[in-house]
Amino acid sequence: GAVVSQHPSRVICKSGTSVKIECRSLDFQATTMFWYRQFPKKSLMLMATSNEGSKATYEQGVEKDKFLINHASLTLSTLTVTSAHPEDSSFYICSARMTSGGEGVETQYFGPGTRLLVL
Amino acid sequence: AQTVTQSQPEMSVQEAETVTLSCTYDTSESDYYLFWYKQPPSRQMILVIRQEAYKQQNATENRFSVNFQKAAKSFSLKISDSQLGDAAMYFCAYRPGTYKYIFGTGTRLKVLA
Repeated sequence: GAVVSQHPSRVICKSGTSVKIECRSLDFQATTMFWYRQFPKKSLMLMATSNEGSKATYEQGVEKDKFLINHASLTLSTLTVTSAHPEDSSFYICSARMTSGGEGVETQYFGPGTRLLVL
Repeated sequence: AQTVTQSQPEMSVQEAETVTLSCTYDTSESDYYLFWYKQPPSRQMILVIRQEAYKQQNATENRFSVNFQKAAKSFSLKISDSQLGDAAMYFCAYRPGTYKYIFGTGTRLKVLA
C-alpha cells in the first residue's frame, strides 16, 4: 500500500525557535497533502491543505504566518512552526491524497505523526 | 455545516465477539465518500474501510463491514470476530467533493480477553 513518512517523529525545542516537519509520499506522487493537528485524546483538526507549486490553503483560525507550509515537489511537503510556544506542543499528522483505480477513487494516506514539545 | 458525530466515546467487546461502532453525519451533498480509520497506540492512522455514497452496496473488508444508510446519514462499522489487535481509536470521516476530510471525535474500542 501507499506509504507516507514524516520526519522527525518527535522533537523537543525551546520557546521562540522554529521547527520544520517533513512529510513525504514514498511510492506515489501527491499533488495535495494535508496537515492536521491532534490534541491528546481528541480528533484530528485540519490545519491546511498543501498544493504542489502553489500556496497552501489554511483553515479558519490557523495562523498562516506561524505555520508555514511549502509543497515544493510532488512527494514532499513541509510544515514549519515559527517562533514556537508551549501552546504549539501537539501531535502533527500529515496525509497525502492519492487517486487510484478506474473510478478515480481518492484516498488519503497518513504519516506516522510528529510529536512536538515546546519548552 | 458538515459535521460527523460519533456518539460512543468508548466501547468494549469480548474477544471473538462482534461490535458495532456508530457514526452519523450531516451534509446536503449527494456525492461524497465515507471512511473508517483506526488509530492504534502508535498514533499511525490506518484506513479500515471506505464507502462511496453513490454505491448502495455496503463495503466489506474481511472482518470489517459497514451499514451505510444514506437517507438516515448513518455509517456504522461492524467488527466481527474481534481480536486483541483491534483495540484502538476508531475515527469516522466524511469527504465531500472538496477533498477535505471531516473527522468525528472518535470511539475508543477495548477488546477484552
